[in-house]
Amino acid sequence: GQNIDQPTEMTATEGAIVQINCTYQTSGFNGLFWYQQHAGEAPTFLSYNVLDGLEEKGRFSSFLSRSKGYSYLLLKELQMKDSASYLCAVLSGGYNKLIFGAGTRLAVHP
Amino acid sequence: GAVVSQHPSWVICKSGTSVKIECRSLDFQATTMFWYRQFPKQSLMLMATSNEGSKATYEQGVEKDKFLINHASLTLSTLTVTSAHPEDSSFYICSADTDTQYFGPGTRLTVL
Repeated sequence: GQNIDQPTEMTATEGAIVQINCTYQTSGFNGLFWYQQHAGEAPTFLSYNVLDGLEEKGRFSSFLSRSKGYSYLLLKELQMKDSASYLCAVLSGGYNKLIFGAGTRLAVHP
Repeated sequence: GAVVSQHPSWVICKSGTSVKIECRSLDFQATTMFWYRQFPKQSLMLMATSNEGSKATYEQGVEKDKFLINHASLTLSTLTVTSAHPEDSSFYICSADTDTQYFGPGTRLTVL
C-alpha cells in the first residue's frame, strides 16, 4: 500500500531552524515534493528531490534518501509568515500521481 | 511560472443540485490534470486523473457517476459534483501537470 508519515504539528521560534521529517512507503517512486499550504489556500511548490542528497533553495532545503524512504525539509531563519502546513508528497505511478502525506502544521512564535 | 485558475473560488448550493468547477491552465497546455479534495485539517486526497481526450481515471472509493470529469481541451478540465449533499462540502483543488504539478487556487464548496 501507500503510506506517507510526517509529524502532525510542530512549533518553533522566529529566527530558529526547524526540520520536518517525512517517511514513505509507496509502490512506485518518481520523486518527492514538498509543498507549503496556508489555511484556505492551495499548496505552493517548495522543492523536488529525485536523487539522494540535499537540495538547497534559499532558506529552504530538502533532503532525500531513497534507500531509507526518508526525506526532510529544513527551514532556516524562520519568519512568522512560515507558519503554515507543509505537505510531503511522493510522485508515483504511470500518470505521475502525487500521493500526499497528512501534512505538518508549523507554528512560528516570536 | 505556470498559472492554473479555478472557477468559481467558492460556491454555496442546496442539497440535490449539481455544481460544476472549472480548472484552466492559463499559459501552458496540460495533457493531464488532477482533481483533489481536502477536508478541514486533512491533507489532499486524489480523486481522479483527468486526461485530455479520454476518460478520467478515478481513485478507489470515488464514485465516477457522482463526480463527472471532462477534459475537453489541453487547457480545460471540469469537475461536476452531481446531486450534491452536505457531506460533499469540501475544498476542491485541481492541478495541471507539466514538468511538475501546478495547483489551482481551489474551490470551496458548501452544500446546505
